[in-house]
Amino acid sequence: AQKVTQAQTEISVVEKEDVTLDCVYETRDTTYYLFWYKQPPSGELVFLIRRNSFDEQNEISGRYSWNFQKSTSSFNFTITASQVVDSAVYFCALKESGATNKLIFGTGTLLAVQP
Amino acid sequence: EPEVTQTPSHQVTQMGQEVILRCVPISNHLYFYWYRQILGQKVEFLVSFYNNEISEKSEIFDDQFSVERPDGSNFTLKIRSTKLEDSAMYFCASSGGQGFYNEQFFGPGTRLTVL
Repeated sequence: AQKVTQAQTEISVVEKEDVTLDCVYETRDTTYYLFWYKQPPSGELVFLIRRNSFDEQNEISGRYSWNFQKSTSSFNFTITASQVVDSAVYFCALKESGATNKLIFGTGTLLAVQP
Repeated sequence: EPEVTQTPSHQVTQMGQEVILRCVPISNHLYFYWYRQILGQKVEFLVSFYNNEISEKSEIFDDQFSVERPDGSNFTLKIRSTKLEDSAMYFCASSGGQGFYNEQFFGPGTRLTVL
């Protein structure tokens, strides 16, 4: 069965600290897609990044970086030099291949960045 | 930049009443979705819609729910007889297609409160 686990419910850091958000997924598919979404206090869901199961190349985009490791079924997200505006709930999501388009979300990690 | 819009932003209704939540997906997108998020919980898939019919639905999406694309721009979710447990944030999303490069873009959500 497909499942996304975000074991960290809340993280609090002080501005300028680096923070890593963990995501572990379960799927029987060999082809699947992983996403990170951000939900700021205003409530909307903002797409951040996608990865497919064939692309284990990690990426850095500004202050954000992602570490995808298929061997451990993990797709972790790091914010470098955190800022107060990064405060939000971050959701990891899984989409399997085939006929389904539904996103399976984790329970989210609330990140609080203190000034 | 094109975006998904939803109305109303907040709907308060009495138990047993019918509600219709409205969404305008991104104009050239072909796939439409509804998700819900009970306060403090994860985002859950309800239904996906393509080519004027439901392509997938979850166990949550029972006979009380229906979706419709009444014209070329709107996509609606109807709850026929609301229950207290229907209180949640309802998100509409759209994507240009399936697969990797067709991430889902979410609207700002409609907060439904059932009294």
